[in-house]
Amino acid sequence: KQEVTQIPAALSVPEGENLVLNCSFTDSAIYNLQWFRQDPGKGLTSLLLIQSSQREQTSGRLNASLDKSSGRSTLYIAASQPGDSATYLCAAGANAGKSTFGDGTTLTVKP
Amino acid sequence: DVKVTQSSRYLVKRTGEKVFLECVQDMDHENMFWYRQDPGLGLRLIYFSYDVKMKEKGDIPEGYSVSREKKERFSLILESASTNQTSMYLCASSLLWGSNQPQHFGDGTRLSIL
Repeated sequence: KQEVTQIPAALSVPEGENLVLNCSFTDSAIYNLQWFRQDPGKGLTSLLLIQSSQREQTSGRLNASLDKSSGRSTLYIAASQPGDSATYLCAAGANAGKSTFGDGTTLTVKP
Repeated sequence: DVKVTQSSRYLVKRTGEKVFLECVQDMDHENMFWYRQDPGLGLRLIYFSYDVKMKEKGDIPEGYSVSREKKERFSLILESASTNQTSMYLCASSLLWGSNQPQHFGDGTRLSIL
């Protein structure tokens, strides 16, 4: 059974800092790896999806990488802003569209 | 832009009631999902559907059922609500069975069972 772990559970950084969020998964036979953002009391917003054949995806200040062999993905946020404060979740996708989610990393960016 | 709409943001029901949570998506997605999210337990899949009238159990289907009579609508039913079903419920949809398409989520329904 797939297990997804995100460490640390919480992270606080000053504005402008570059940071990396980590995601690890136990079963490397994934279909894709997706990163989401969740604001308090809200649903999940898809940020980036990396297909199993890809190594990374970029969108603006965000860059996600995938290393299937080591069971790891990272989300890099450049020049962090207070508006980036949220919980970030990763999800390892199996076939049929099913995904296993991590518990998330809660990021606080201080002005 | 994909829009996934959940009928209620907040809902309060009583133990033993039959509860319906509705979800509608406007992008003709084949796949639809129901999750619940609890502190310390993360997101857990309750049921999903990949076509009209088709459904499959997720990780925690006990105490729930689903209905998908139309492609755009996926309903979650709590047959006899219990206090341990108090949770945040999230609906999601995605395009195509097994494809590399992202899941799109609604804003969630925070359900309290008293």
